[in-house]
Amino acid sequence: DARVTQTPRHKVTEMGQEVTMRCQPILGHNTVFWYRQTMMQGLELLAYFRNRAPLDDSGMPKDRFSAEMPDATLATLKIQPSEPRDSAVYFCASGEQGSEAFFGQGTRLTVV
Amino acid sequence: AQSVAQPEDQVNVAEGNPLTVKCTYSVSGNPYLFWYVQYPNRGLQFLLKYITGDNLVKGSYGFEAEFNKSQTSFHLKKPSALVSDSALYFCAVRDDGATNKLIFGTGTLLAVQP
Repeated sequence: DARVTQTPRHKVTEMGQEVTMRCQPILGHNTVFWYRQTMMQGLELLAYFRNRAPLDDSGMPKDRFSAEMPDATLATLKIQPSEPRDSAVYFCASGEQGSEAFFGQGTRLTVV
Repeated sequence: AQSVAQPEDQVNVAEGNPLTVKCTYSVSGNPYLFWYVQYPNRGLQFLLKYITGDNLVKGSYGFEAEFNKSQTSFHLKKPSALVSDSALYFCAVRDDGATNKLIFGTGTLLAVQP
């Protein structure tokens, strides 16, 4: 089964540390999304790539968050420095333009 | 800007009864509409989509949804609910424009009582 793979599944880190989350999209998909899920805000779109180019990162706090696609098999979301309010589940999803997206299992981040 | 509204935080239904989870949307062009389900501590699973064609679309696990352009709605339905359908349901929309990003509603918790 083709699936989106996210690593790590869980991450506990201290405030101020750098956090990197990784995503392997489904082979052949040309769009990649990063979402953050919290009880208060629901599912927020952080960043969106098409053919590895960033199309929209308006939902991402620019001072501490960055998202990249170094190649077609890897998307990264980095937080530096991390803060307790960043604690959430971060999802990566991939798909084809105009169609449904398939989600990974998420990275549960806890910043203490 | 595109948006999705799910007016009900929670829907309660008895097992065997029909269920409806409501969704309305706003996009500038033609909508691509989706329903997803999320079980505890899991990622979102795709259920069904409307891109074009018949207004009634059928998806996984016996779910269906009806696209209503005049009411800008895409309600999720199932004729007979199961306890195992209890989960968090998300409606989502993409527009057919250049951006084509995928925006989600706030989610509706479906609780099916035995």
